[in-house]
Amino acid sequence: AQTVTQSQPEMSVQEAETVTLSCTYDTSESDYYLFWYKQPPSRQMILVIRQEAYKQQNATENRFSVNFQKAAKSFSLKISDSQLGDAAMYFCAYAGNMLTFGGGTRLMVKP
Amino acid sequence: DAGVIQSPRHEVTEMGQEVTLRCKPISGHNSLFWYRQTMMRGLELLIYFNNNVPIDDSGMPEDRFSAKMPNASFSTLKIQPSEPRDSAVYFCASSFTGRTEAFFGQGTRLTVV
Repeated sequence: AQTVTQSQPEMSVQEAETVTLSCTYDTSESDYYLFWYKQPPSRQMILVIRQEAYKQQNATENRFSVNFQKAAKSFSLKISDSQLGDAAMYFCAYAGNMLTFGGGTRLMVKP
Repeated sequence: DAGVIQSPRHEVTEMGQEVTLRCKPISGHNSLFWYRQTMMRGLELLIYFNNNVPIDDSGMPEDRFSAKMPNASFSTLKIQPSEPRDSAVYFCASSFTGRTEAFFGQGTRLTVV
């Protein structure tokens, strides 16, 4: 079975600074997708960014980008120019034959 | 499309009662997931349907939990009898295939007293 590990239960960043959230996964599959989801206090799960495993280029969505290292099975999320609205739980997810989530990282943004 | 629709948004019930949570996935999606979220255990996959067929129910905690998907536009998660430890937020999510991003409903906050 696939496992997804987020080793940072909590992270803190100063407004306008950059923060990186870590995620590693374990799989024997070669074809899969990876995602980062954001869950604000409203509890709605919002897709932030996606990465196809067959693509070498790292995905980017505005201030959000990933560092995808397939050999190392690592998929980190970088948030640039952090804003107060970025404060939330962030979940890394793996989609192979099933969608599996990591334990989440709570991001706090200090004004 | 209105997105994934879950009902009710909140449910408070007494221990021993039956609880039914409902989900309408996004039209055209053929994969549906039920998740449970708690502070202690995080986001747990309970069951995964593909084309209305349960593919993996290994996350269903015990026989008190059951899930059905009678057609492509409706699924239920039933707990009978409910217990206080079942208190959690239950999410339904759907995707075009099991390999693409899942879209989540607003969740149902269940409280069993």
